[in-house]
Amino acid sequence: EAQVTQNPRYLITVTGKKLTVTCSQNMNHEYMSWYRQDPGLGLRQIYYSMNVEVTDKGDVPEGYKVSRKEKRNFPLILESPSPNQTSLYFCASSYSGASYNEQFFGPGTRLTVL
Amino acid sequence: AQKITQTQPGMFVQEKEAVTLDCTYDTSDPSYGLFWYKQPSSGEMIFLIYQGSYDQQNATEGRYSLNFQKARKSANLVISASQLGDSAMYFCAMREPHTVVTGANSKLTFGKGITLSVRP
Repeated sequence: EAQVTQNPRYLITVTGKKLTVTCSQNMNHEYMSWYRQDPGLGLRQIYYSMNVEVTDKGDVPEGYKVSRKEKRNFPLILESPSPNQTSLYFCASSYSGASYNEQFFGPGTRLTVL
Repeated sequence: AQKITQTQPGMFVQEKEAVTLDCTYDTSDPSYGLFWYKQPSSGEMIFLIYQGSYDQQNATEGRYSLNFQKARKSANLVISASQLGDSAMYFCAMREPHTVVTGANSKLTFGKGITLSVRP
């Protein structure tokens, strides 16, 4: 089954404790992206990757890191989480960066930073 | 500047009736894609329908259709024969192609969403 998976689905952590949210897709997609969703703000892009070893900042990259060592995986790293990073996070992938390509979303990760 | 505008704060519709969810967008790129996603209370993002900027006809997918008015820059979602399971948040989104010249990174730009409640 074609899908984007994220782990963990739910996470409660404390300020400053490094964490990684994994994202994996099995569709051989080139483009991958991370979004965060906050009430009243819709979804905003954190980072994206056009292909292996090609990553760049989105609209709200502060406090986050990513890597793309393999085509299928695109982990999101919070080196020192803070309460303002409490959010719902989505990983998404698409075949390419073309405007007509649908982005497939993972199930989301609900993160709470205390 | 806001690129996707969804101004309806919340919508109510009677079961089996049709409902229109409004979306206006702004872009100077002639090539773009417009998407609608549904987000139920469980949180996942479900793709509903896509309209390309060069498409001559309005997109349809089952009970969903997109009323695309390019000159007015609007892309309204029409749900026919509403069902109780349609109660959810609905997001309009636009995707511009990745270009080095403008720096557009092919992200999806989302509106703030519209809450739809279907009454029995």
